[in-house]
This record gives sequence, C-alpha cells and structure tokens, in this order.
Amino acid sequence: DGGITQSPKYLFRKEGQNVTLSCEQNLNHDAMYWYRQDPGQGLRLIYYSQIVNDFQKGDIAEGYSVSREKKESFPLTVTSAQKNPTAFYLCASGPVGSSYEQYFGPGTRLTVT
Amino acid sequence: GENVEQHPSTLSVQEGDSAVIKCTYSDSASNYFPWYKQELGKRPQLIIDIRSNVGEKKDQRIAVTLNKTAKHFSLHITETQPEDSAVYFCAESGTYKYIFGTGTRLKVLA
Repeated sequence: DGGITQSPKYLFRKEGQNVTLSCEQNLNHDAMYWYRQDPGQGLRLIYYSQIVNDFQKGDIAEGYSVSREKKESFPLTVTSAQKNPTAFYLCASGPVGSSYEQYFGPGTRLTVT
Repeated sequence: GENVEQHPSTLSVQEGDSAVIKCTYSDSASNYFPWYKQELGKRPQLIIDIRSNVGEKKDQRIAVTLNKTAKHFSLHITETQPEDSAVYFCAESGTYKYIFGTGTRLKVLA
C-alpha cells in the first residue's frame, strides 16, 4: 500500500468552494476507488474506475466528480453541491481479474467551514 | 439492497483472550470476503481475506471462517495483544465493488 499516495493529508476550505483531492498509484493497478468515511462509521463508495477513461458512480456520488485520464491517477473533486463535505476521504486501488483486493492510500481529511 | 451486518460494534477483551467478529451478507453472488484493520487516523490495512471456495483460512493468530449457506463469515483473533486494538471492517464483493460492514472497535485491555 506504500504505492498509493494521497495529497494533501489535511485540507481546509470555505463553504461554496470546489476542491480537488489527489490520488496516485504506482502499483500498475487497473481499478481505483474513492470512499468517504465519517467519524465512527464505515466506508461508503463514491466513485470507482476499472479502466482509463471510464468510471462509475458508487452509492454516494452526488456532489462529487472524478476523472481517469491516466492509469496512475484518479482525482476526486468535491463540489459546492455536496451538502456535508467534511469527512475523511480514502482512495484505493486494486488489480482487475480473478482477485479483487483493494489497497488504501493514507487518506485526506477535508474540513469545510 | 446489498448490505453487510457486522457485530458487535464494540468489543473489549483481556490481553491473551480471543476475539470474534461476525458479519452477515445478503448477496448470494458474493465470492470474496476481506477483513481490514484501521488504526485511529490511518488507512485501512488488509489483514486477511477468504474466497467462496474455501471454508477457513488462517494466518498466525488471525483466522477467517466462511459459511456460504448461512451467508456469514467471521474473524477470529487468538492470544490478543494491545497492538490488536483498532477498528476492524469486514467487506463482501462479487465484482470490483465492495460492500463494507460498519466496523467493530476492538479494545485489548492489558
């Protein structure tokens, strides 16, 4: 999992601003994922991508957008339309095929005031 | 819809005792069941996983059992140590998409 990086570790924004979270991996994984984690709760899937230039909505995609222009990169934009954006955001990647392991990045803690 | 129920939500054990966490899933097509450990403020770490063609898998003090008929799987930690204290998440998957349980906070008391 050391091959997945997220930046920055902490991010502060004012309400009404869009913000983009970075996720990069050098594990040659085809699949990448974005999750949101709220305090004391589990992980909820925002978006996922199985291949470059293709991605699918997860369970809570409203107010978020993604792109997958390169295999190594899967940035997440939290838009002003997301009503409760303050959370811990985790990116993951994994192989495609017979195994479905997912390996997580260190996370970005976003605070919107 | 698809969901995973995880119990208990919190678990306290004495150091050296065993801990068991159970998950129940609903999607009969699920065939991959990973367990993650997450320490405070850190990333979830994959600690063990099991596939549907296997009933039990063990890795040192950690084991996972799967009952496909009943649609439940369990994490067993033996000889618990203080460093086992963390939040543990189960998940189930039939494809690339995971459904996670809500987590169990394990406290190992010294």
